[in-house]
Amino acid sequence: QVQLVESGGGVVQPGRSLRLSCAASGFTFSSYGMHWVRQAPGKGLEWVAVIWYDGSNKYYADSVKGRFTISRDNSKNTLYLQMNSLRAEDTAVYYCARDRRIAAAGYLPYWYFDLWGRGTLVTVSS
Amino acid sequence: EIVLTQSPGTLSLSPGERATLSCRASQSVSSSYLAWYQQKPGQAPRLLIYGASSRATGIPDRFSGSGSGTDFTLTISRLEPEDFAVYYCQQYGSSPPVTFGPGTKVDIK
Repeated sequence: QVQLVESGGGVVQPGRSLRLSCAASGFTFSSYGMHWVRQAPGKGLEWVAVIWYDGSNKYYADSVKGRFTISRDNSKNTLYLQMNSLRAEDTAVYYCARDRRIAAAGYLPYWYFDLWGRGTLVTVSS
Repeated sequence: EIVLTQSPGTLSLSPGERATLSCRASQSVSSSYLAWYQQKPGQAPRLLIYGASSRATGIPDRFSGSGSGTDFTLTISRLEPEDFAVYYCQQYGSSPPVTFGPGTKVDIK
C-alpha cells in the first residue's frame, strides 16, 4: 500500500525543539523528492521545505529558514523535519508530501504533490 | 512571491449542480504551472489537477481545470455528495517557494 505516515508531533514550549518523521511505504522512496507542508488550525496550506530524492539539495520557506532542517534516510525510507527555536506561529498540522517527479538525469522537482500523509499536529504553547 | 486569490470564499450548491471556482495570481504563472487540491475535514489534501488542466490519476472526469497567465478555473460539472470540500489552488511556476491560495469551500445548499 502506497502511503506516508507522519509521527513525532505534540505539545512543546516556545523555544524548544521537536523532530518529525515520515515513514514511506509501497513505493521507491529513494526515487522521489519530498516536501513538508503545514496547515495552521483553520487556515490554509503553507509549503515548508523540500529535499531532493538523494538529499543533494534542500530549500526552505523564509518563515522557517535557519530554524528547521529537512533530511532523509533512504535506507530507512524515512523523511525528517528537525524543528528548533519553535514559535507559537509554528503551531500546525505538518504533512509530508511526495513530489510528483521521479528521479532522472538533470533532476528538478515538479514542486507539486501527488501523495500526502495524514499529518501530525505540532502545538507550540507555554 | 506569487500571491494567489481564490473566489468565492464559499460556494453553496446542491448535488447535481455545476461548480465554478476561480484562482487568480498576482503575476503570470509560468507554463501554467498550477495545481488544484481537494481537502475534506480531517483529511490530507488530494491532488486533482496539475499543469492547469491535466487530471491526476484516478480523478473523475467531472473535474476539469482551465486557464493560463493569471486566471485559472476549476469546474466540477455535476456535484456528487463526496465533492463537498475545500479546494486549494497552488502555483509552482515560481519556486521556491510554491504558494497556495486561501481556499474555496464548497458546501451543501
